[in-house]
Amino acid sequence: SQQGEEDPQALSIQEGENATMNCSYKTSINNLQWYRQNSGRGLVHLILIRSNEREKHSGRLRVTLDTSKKSSSLLITASRAADTASYFCATDAKGNTPLVFGKGTRLSVIA
Amino acid sequence: DTGVSQNPRHKITKRGQNVTFRCDPISEHNRLYWYRQTLGQGPEFLTYFQNEAQLEKSRLLSDRFSAERPKGSFSTLEIQRTEQGDSAMYLCASSLGLQETQYFGPGTRLLVL
Repeated sequence: SQQGEEDPQALSIQEGENATMNCSYKTSINNLQWYRQNSGRGLVHLILIRSNEREKHSGRLRVTLDTSKKSSSLLITASRAADTASYFCATDAKGNTPLVFGKGTRLSVIA
Repeated sequence: DTGVSQNPRHKITKRGQNVTFRCDPISEHNRLYWYRQTLGQGPEFLTYFQNEAQLEKSRLLSDRFSAERPKGSFSTLEIQRTEQGDSAMYLCASSLGLQETQYFGPGTRLLVL
């Protein structure tokens, strides 16, 4: 079963706008990771945030984690057409090593 | 370039045939994972290794599937008597250790006719 659920399932924005994607999960976690996947390709790791962290930044990416609400968000600022991809959150649940992925958010950035 | 490589990148086979995929992880990573991804879904865990030991297998891994990592370096995933439902992207990932970032390869796309 898939623990993480991304919201929205699809998002379309204009280049230069910010994109926010949310992820909810069900059980306690060690960490949460965000990945990007271009159509038909492998997954590219974006950010890992540990359960004792609340916010992390990497370039134009900002990730927040609220363990009390079992949710995370990924913000992409000043989006570019090249950001068009599917974005997945994946949780590393306590006591369980394999990552559990959601179904992803399909982001389209229109130039 | 994540450093994880997979071969072949694409495989088309007829139902009932056996197929084998190879994954070469990042060299210093002792953990290696296999996932399967179908269209419109996120990856689903199949199995993982720590060095040469296979530590966990998902219920998705039927008895037609077998994975090995004989020397704790590269890994192979074999599917025997393929079925059309096996058509998917097979992804390999590796990590330095427990609770560390998993880096994915480009995947092997399997189509069973």
